[in-house]
Amino acid sequence: EADIYQTPRYLVIGTGKKITLECSQTMGHDKMYWYQQDPGMELHLIHYSYGVNSTEKGDLSSESTVSRIRTEHFPLTLESARPSHTSQYLCASSEGWEQPQHFGDGTRLSIL
Amino acid sequence: ILNVEQSPQSLHVQEGDSTNFTCSFPSSNFYALHWYRWETAKSPEALFVMTLNGDEKKKGRISATLNTKEGYSYLYIKGSQPEDSATYLCASYSGGGADGLTFGKGTHLIIQP
Repeated sequence: EADIYQTPRYLVIGTGKKITLECSQTMGHDKMYWYQQDPGMELHLIHYSYGVNSTEKGDLSSESTVSRIRTEHFPLTLESARPSHTSQYLCASSEGWEQPQHFGDGTRLSIL
Repeated sequence: ILNVEQSPQSLHVQEGDSTNFTCSFPSSNFYALHWYRWETAKSPEALFVMTLNGDEKKKGRISATLNTKEGYSYLYIKGSQPEDSATYLCASYSGGGADGLTFGKGTHLIIQP
């Protein structure tokens, strides 16, 4: 039973469109993360949040932005999608580094 | 080692056989080592979080060991079953970044009946 939800699961869209990937969790975790995975590559941290009104960029540079207005919600936005943004995006949350991260099912994004 | 490295990249194992694979990680500034199982079309599922040198953890037929001084962890699967087929990811946490993890590319395990 999933406690962290991502929508959409799949998205195929044209270049130049604004996209928002949704992520919500019901566990009350303060810490949330966005990871990006290109085919055959590792998951890379692109954004993280310590809690409400806290957002930071991760290790991998990304043109996306995130917001954290509510504890349970951590959406990721691409203002103008490009083919280079084609990838899989996974959202996760946790209580801290000694605890496992809980992942959503991911969004497979394809920009034409 | 600057990155997390996993080997082998893929592995075919006969049902009933036991197997193991390796995760190497930076031993400096080590806080924790995570193992996840990722089945196709599902979300990564946590297996273990290990923090202490010499740690051994077990969950059913799956176990893991940790050596923080030399920077490696082994994952063992005893008596492999078809449902063990998945990609096994390890990830290290070395401080900072709200506990964001550095992942390896994973070991893709296929159990052949």
